Amino acid sequence: SQQGEEDPQALSIQEGENATMNCSYKTSINNLQWYRQNSGRGLVHLILIRSNEREKHSGRLRVTLDTSKKSSSLLITASRAADTASYFCATIIQGAQKLVFGQGTRLTINP
Amino acid sequence: DGGITQSPKYLFRKEGQNVTLSCEQNLNHDAMYWYRQDPGQGLRLIYYSQIVNDFQKGDIAEGYSVSREKKESFPLTVTSAQKNPTAFYLCASSTWSFQETQYFGPGTRLLVL
Repeated sequence: SQQGEEDPQALSIQEGENATMNCSYKTSINNLQWYRQNSGRGLVHLILIRSNEREKHSGRLRVTLDTSKKSSSLLITASRAADTASYFCATIIQGAQKLVFGQGTRLTINP
Repeated sequence: DGGITQSPKYLFRKEGQNVTLSCEQNLNHDAMYWYRQDPGQGLRLIYYSQIVNDFQKGDIAEGYSVSREKKESFPLTVTSAQKNPTAFYLCASSTWSFQETQYFGPGTRLLVL
């Protein structure tokens, strides 16, 4: 099964509302990253949060990490139509030489 | 204009044919990666390379081959041994390891005729 699993799989909200996506993982990690993918395009890095950090901000994005619960959340505030995309969390498992991606949350912002 | 380029955007493969996907970066990154993405799924690692003339298998290397003769180039060959090659292929690079941010190309969609 996947190391990182996003929840929900799909989310549809009105423009201007906040969107929250969650990521759970199974084993200890070095860091956790969030990426965005527009339909049919490559991935774009959003935020990297290290295992000793609890929260990071970047513009309208806020990421939290709770290592005791093995979970992370991505909050997008004041959503815009351009935020419509799939969002993936990816983790570096301690001792492993790879970035493991979840299956993603498909976010739709309705005008 | 720095970044990663992939070509072609679309590629059609006939049964029994080998095809090669191109990936070039001018970010001066040491590490490069190939991922496969199936519809509605996350990314799975095919191969990665952290230095010229060296590469390692990822989770789904069977039916694929790579080379890393130059720092900026990491082509992927989908061989006839890959029985289900239809997918979206993404190339990425990072400064030196998986620990760092990865920068992705625009992808190549491979379809079987």
